[in-house]
Amino acid sequence: GQNIDQPTEMTATEGAIVQINCTYQTSGFNGLFWYQQHAGEAPTFLSYNVLDGLEEKGRFSSFLSRSKGYSYLLLKELQMKDSASYLCAVRDAAGNKLTFGGGTRVLVKP
Amino acid sequence: NAGVMQNPRHLVRRRGQEARLRCSPMKGHSHVYWYRQLPEEGLKFMVYLQKENIIDESGMPKERFSAEFPKEGPSILRIQQVVRGDSAAYFCASSHPGSEKLFFGSGTQLSVL
Repeated sequence: GQNIDQPTEMTATEGAIVQINCTYQTSGFNGLFWYQQHAGEAPTFLSYNVLDGLEEKGRFSSFLSRSKGYSYLLLKELQMKDSASYLCAVRDAAGNKLTFGGGTRVLVKP
Repeated sequence: NAGVMQNPRHLVRRRGQEARLRCSPMKGHSHVYWYRQLPEEGLKFMVYLQKENIIDESGMPKERFSAEFPKEGPSILRIQQVVRGDSAAYFCASSHPGSEKLFFGSGTQLSVL
């Protein structure tokens, strides 16, 4: 089975940086995903890591360490519109489905 | 290219009625996934289907819930004899074979009175 942990909530100031950590214990691993979800809306894809290291995409970066079962999502130059839930998800070894963590609600304050 | 389409957006049912949730995947996508989300919680996997086949239904409750993805038409998630505990947002996602990315629909909010 899969067990994925991430903090429930984080608060940060506009223009600052926030790092959302995700740890996982899985019986198989075939990639880690980060999704953004605004309240009442569909989750939207942010990033995908399958190898160790940092993937940078504009203001968002995602890091993976497979040996530690650890990932983080880094949000830079925070904007008010970044207030949302951020979902960490692991794909199983068969590559069939994503198992999601509980999500981290990020509140950006002026 | 239209995204993943789900309907209805909101569905209200009384206890004991049936709920049918529809999902049309993105064009060219043959893999469909259904997830359930309770307020303030993450997405819980329910079922993974390909055309005319259920690949993984490990997240589906054993009773009252069923899913299909026929050769023609949308995927259907069917909940019989709904109870208040079925109230949740149900999200559908689709993917292209060989692609790692899932695209989600806007969800159906089911409310059971």
